Amino acid sequence: EAGVTQSPTHLIKTRGQQATLRCSPISGHTSVYWYQQALGLGLQFLLWYDEGEERNRGNFPPRFSGRQFPNYSSELNVNALELEDSALYLCASSTGQGIGHNQPQHFGDGTRLSIL
Amino acid sequence: KQEVTQIPAALSVPEGENLVLNCSFTDSAIYNLQWFRQDPGKGLTSLLLIQSSQREQTSGRLNASLDKSSGRSTLYIAASQPGDSATYLCAPANPPVANYGQNFVFGPGTRLSVLP
Repeated sequence: EAGVTQSPTHLIKTRGQQATLRCSPISGHTSVYWYQQALGLGLQFLLWYDEGEERNRGNFPPRFSGRQFPNYSSELNVNALELEDSALYLCASSTGQGIGHNQPQHFGDGTRLSIL
Repeated sequence: KQEVTQIPAALSVPEGENLVLNCSFTDSAIYNLQWFRQDPGKGLTSLLLIQSSQREQTSGRLNASLDKSSGRSTLYIAASQPGDSATYLCAPANPPVANYGQNFVFGPGTRLSVLP
């Protein structure tokens, strides 16, 4: 069974540009989560999508956005890139988040975004 | 707002030792708590998930316990091996309440080094 896959592995941008990161969940998983792991700041929750809808959002500005497609893959878009956006962006997936939320999250290896 | 701390921040032990990693969280209204390991530059690997109704979970040499009322979880690693060297993170999952901001909060991690 293929795990969570993310692309690209590395992405280099300059300030003010826009970045698009992609995530394919494990087959059968409908929930996708995005996290930012910046140096020295730990893992920060960004977005959670389930069944095509945004279910929850972390404390990030609106220039961080995303969407989930009918096949449950997801995109994270970051507009007007700033130097502090440099980080490892991790995607995770799980089966549907019904009442109980007792489904483990499975992570991809991330996209390393570097802003020059 | 959920806050998660992990003690110690770093730990170095000789091979073969048993060790305990600690996780504390401030909001005990969790659905579950998950332990992960992260190798440098990589994504997270799920180790154990403890549901809120459970006291502990075991997988091989790993045993995780949960005391929800006191906001604590421990990860016990028996007979440590150099391959266990990684950063270990705990993540309690809270219900997605409006204005909560996020319902998946990760601890800062414990960096473990097992020396041969």
